[in-house]
Amino acid sequence: RKEVEQDPGPFNVPEGATVAFNCTYSNSASQSFFWYRQDCRKEPKLLMSVYSSGNEDGRFTAQLNRASQYISLLIRDSKLSDSATYLCVFFSGGYNKLIFGAGTRLAVHP
Amino acid sequence: NAGVTQTPKFQVLKTGQSMTLQCAQDMNHNSMYWYRQDPGMGLRLIYYSASEGTTDKGEVPNGYNVSRLNKREFSLRLESAAPSQTSVYFCASSVERGNTEAFFGQGTRLTVV
Repeated sequence: RKEVEQDPGPFNVPEGATVAFNCTYSNSASQSFFWYRQDCRKEPKLLMSVYSSGNEDGRFTAQLNRASQYISLLIRDSKLSDSATYLCVFFSGGYNKLIFGAGTRLAVHP
Repeated sequence: NAGVTQTPKFQVLKTGQSMTLQCAQDMNHNSMYWYRQDPGMGLRLIYYSASEGTTDKGEVPNGYNVSRLNKREFSLRLESAAPSQTSVYFCASSVERGNTEAFFGQGTRLTVV
């Protein structure tokens, strides 16, 4: 089983839609979780950390489910500018490094 | 605010040639990393340096060497380039290893022919 798995997409949604991505991880010792955003041919940038109790940042909500070993990202009221690839990332205590998923592509259209 | 600066941005090499990718950060971060990104495979860690004077192998170190020249600079060297090393290379830094936000450079697009 891969350390982290994401649906590669693409998710094609109209402006204003709500879209959700999931990401599963296999290492139960994983300690910290993040969502990064990567625009086409650009470097990844931190979108938000994921806390155990769930957290919101404007239109973005992140959730962590340790029992089922997945994290999720919910984007409400999608904007054209949300079009990007979203990478789930976790810090593996066992490997002592950040592990990146391959990313989920989101395309928001008018 | 420069953040993480990588050079060069683009490079084409012939098989067997060598080159060094340069990376510098001005955020006084302790940890620095080199990743490669290939289509459908996400970012894979090549080498990292938890602090000045130390380096460790990541997932895919074969064919690469690194030098942590000082706290600011972390270079990646390809001694004898192979077509399998065609990729986009990202340097990153963080306050400490792993458990904090990583800041990335703009990437180096390397093609080995």
